[in-house]
Amino acid sequence: DVKVTQSSRYLVKRTGEKVFLECVQDMDHENMFWYRQDPGLGLRLIYFSYDVKMKEKGDIPEGYSVSREKKERFSLILESASTNQTSMYLCASSSPPASTDTQYFGPGTRLTVL
Amino acid sequence: SQKIEQNSEALNIQEGKTATLTCNYTNYSPAYLQWYRQDPGRGPVFLLLIRENEKEKRKERLKVTFDTTLKQSLFHITASQPADSATYLCALAAGGGNKLTFGTGTQLKVEL
Repeated sequence: DVKVTQSSRYLVKRTGEKVFLECVQDMDHENMFWYRQDPGLGLRLIYFSYDVKMKEKGDIPEGYSVSREKKERFSLILESASTNQTSMYLCASSSPPASTDTQYFGPGTRLTVL
Repeated sequence: SQKIEQNSEALNIQEGKTATLTCNYTNYSPAYLQWYRQDPGRGPVFLLLIRENEKEKRKERLKVTFDTTLKQSLFHITASQPADSATYLCALAAGGGNKLTFGTGTQLKVEL
């Protein structure tokens, strides 16, 4: 079974702190994604990566950065957390080809920024 | 602009009935469409994928249709059970890409 794990289920941080969210997948997937999910807005793509050291902006990259130094690990970084970044963060991975691009999600990290 | 619409109101149905959820999209030409299930506090789980050249796909009690003329997909759960209660998300992808765009989801509640 594909497994995507995220470093924390719940996280509370203060405004201005640097926050790291870690995601690890064990299926040798090339693609990894970070989303945030908010009530009424659904899942919104923050960043994604097609390969090690590659990254592309999603729909809402402002205030975030990412790092992919190893194939299995994709980190989301909030350089200076703000209260409007309080959300559920979901990591996913998938493998080409595009015709069967099922995404496998982690359990999510609920981040609260005070 | 591109838009994916799912009914934001919860759908309440009785056990044993067929649940039908709708996904409408505008300004997309998706190569394929996927449906996911999400339980509270958990990540979405893949259910079904249907390609643009397929009209219908089935898996056990699940059926998905895809009408590219109407720009709509319907997701059916037959003989619904309380365990089917969850939020169901549709997601679209263009051909050749690895990026999905998700709808906001519809919450289904199956009552005894």
